[in-house]
Amino acid sequence: GAVVSQHPSWVICKSGTSVKIECRSLDFQATTMFWYRQFPKQSLMLMATSNEGSKATYEQGVEKDKFLINHASLTLSTLTVTSAHPEDSSFYICSAGLVRNTDTQYFGPGTRLTVL
Amino acid sequence: KNEVEQSPQNLTAQEGEFITINCSYSVGISALHWLQQHPGGGIVSLFMLSSGKKKHGRLIATINIQEKHSSLHITASHPRDSAVYICAVRLSGTYKYIFGTGTRLKVLA
Repeated sequence: GAVVSQHPSWVICKSGTSVKIECRSLDFQATTMFWYRQFPKQSLMLMATSNEGSKATYEQGVEKDKFLINHASLTLSTLTVTSAHPEDSSFYICSAGLVRNTDTQYFGPGTRLTVL
Repeated sequence: KNEVEQSPQNLTAQEGEFITINCSYSVGISALHWLQQHPGGGIVSLFMLSSGKKKHGRLIATINIQEKHSSLHITASHPRDSAVYICAVRLSGTYKYIFGTGTRLKVLA
């Protein structure tokens, strides 16, 4: 089946630094990738929708200048948390949709970010 | 009220028991996913359903579109099944998903 990977799986960084998280579709092309965030004991919440070759669409309340998304190719989307703060510590998950079947979504394993 | 409700929120079972986790939703959907999240956070997609029933090993997932309800069944449960099980629905005509808060399952040996 289709596989979505994320890198890194976990990262610890100092407050004020930037962190980049990669989401790759390994064996299929994804026109659309989604970034979610999950705080402890809460549901996953959609942060933004990333479309290959165009600007990402951010959900209400998500700062686009803080969470930079780049969907450079049909197999790679990156999320950069800029000037990270401890409150950005969370679990970040991406999902990817197949080019030919927009109903199919495959979830990445997630990246745990801890900001000290 | 949440648009996606799961029950129970927590479940403890003895090894070998048959387990059912329920998901009800109040919005129009084009697909429903069952996800498994292990301690440490990693998510595995178990099923994607738009109708009927799917089976994979000891796991069975069903969906009733008219009743807006889905169930995940685990037969012959095992301690390694201990995880959080999350129901996620894709809103009709959109790419957006809404997630349930999850069911925390613990299977005791």
